[in-house]
Amino acid sequence: KNEVEQSPQNLTAQEGEFITINCSYSVGISALHWLQQHPGGGIVSLFMLSSGKKKHGRLIATINIQEKHSSLHITASHPRDSAVYICAPYNTDKLIFGTGTRLQVFP
Amino acid sequence: DTGVSQNPRHKITKRGQNVTFRCDPISEHNRLYWYRQTLGQGPEFLTYFQNEAQLEKSRLLSDRFSAERPKGSFSTLEIQRTEQGDSAMYLCASSLEMTAYGYTFGSGTRLTVV
Repeated sequence: KNEVEQSPQNLTAQEGEFITINCSYSVGISALHWLQQHPGGGIVSLFMLSSGKKKHGRLIATINIQEKHSSLHITASHPRDSAVYICAPYNTDKLIFGTGTRLQVFP
Repeated sequence: DTGVSQNPRHKITKRGQNVTFRCDPISEHNRLYWYRQTLGQGPEFLTYFQNEAQLEKSRLLSDRFSAERPKGSFSTLEIQRTEQGDSAMYLCASSLEMTAYGYTFGSGTRLTVV
């Protein structure tokens, strides 16, 4: 079993839809990153969470440390949100990556 | 500071050749990480440095791979006798010690072994 599981693996949506990506992990962590990767490779950190909830614009991330679960929500999705979203818990001085969720938002 | 810089962006090499990649981290970051990402997969940890000390190496890092950070600033990752299975995106990231804050990735070096 992988240490980090994301669901769904692939997601398609119509512009304007509310998107949820889930992440479950089995290791103890001090924090968790949500990352965005566009075609071509560049990775951008969207959030770093150690508890509760954070919001940046249309993006919301939540984490429940006791349940070892985090979610990333995108409100009013837009085609420019199309990317791979990766959950990456921070464990023993390094990030452990999920395989990512490929999101495609169609106009 | 312009973030984490990686060079080259792309490298095509023949099987059996040696290649070297460079990563320049954010200047005040004392931690530097190397990851490898193959198509359709999330990044996999290779190794990391705290200042010039290499603190951990993954079992993925075979004897053909070596990484250095001689002065605690930039780092190099060398692959000797490249194999087709080494084709991947090699990502560098940097951060401050003992915190996950400010974890910043470079754009990566895409290696193709032909």
